[in-house]
Amino acid sequence: DAGITQSPRHKVTETGTPVTLRCHQTENHRYMYWYRQDPGHGLRLIHYSYGVKDTDKGEVSDGYSVSRSKTEDFLLTLESATSSQTSVYFCAISRTNQETQYFGPGTRLLVL
Amino acid sequence: KNQVEQSPQSLIILEGKNCTLQCNYTVSPFSNLRWYKQDTGRGPVSLTIMTFSENTKSNGRYTATLDADTKQSSLHITASQLSDSASYICVVSPLNNNDMRFGAGTRLTVKP
Repeated sequence: DAGITQSPRHKVTETGTPVTLRCHQTENHRYMYWYRQDPGHGLRLIHYSYGVKDTDKGEVSDGYSVSRSKTEDFLLTLESATSSQTSVYFCAISRTNQETQYFGPGTRLLVL
Repeated sequence: KNQVEQSPQSLIILEGKNCTLQCNYTVSPFSNLRWYKQDTGRGPVSLTIMTFSENTKSNGRYTATLDADTKQSSLHITASQLSDSASYICVVSPLNNNDMRFGAGTRLTVKP
């Protein structure tokens, strides 16, 4: 999986609790992305990063924040989880914003 | 409304047969169009990438075509194998931003 790991791989949490998902890469790629995937929808971009401390919002950023303090790590935080955030979350990396993205194995999150 | 529409939603074929998956998009202007394969429980893996000036790209038994005038792309799979069972996702990258648009995918099942 192109040197990308996500943790945790599965998580169950309760509504209103904060949750942080971690994406770690060993490829030294500049760009990192967080997506969510829901049945009947394509992957939707939440946030992305184009360098350390450089991030921007995607299509569905409300309720999510991100941080990138090191090239290899990109964190996604759900500030106060809601049931609508139950989803599968994928991290991806790419060398440039026009090159192929390589995806991690995904994190399955259930918010009760 | 999703800017990338794929058809059919699902498809069942017999091993050894060929099939063609369709992608219609409204993203314009765009810089490239990608096809990904996603096995159940895994992240997507890139199959082909075409710029707006290319009209065909092959990767083994997978051949993607692009008609930028009609805003249509297709993925043709030749001599299908059981391992081709997966979801196939069409992704269009707008020219001037990083927010790639994903189709909802076509779920292909290859039966022996």
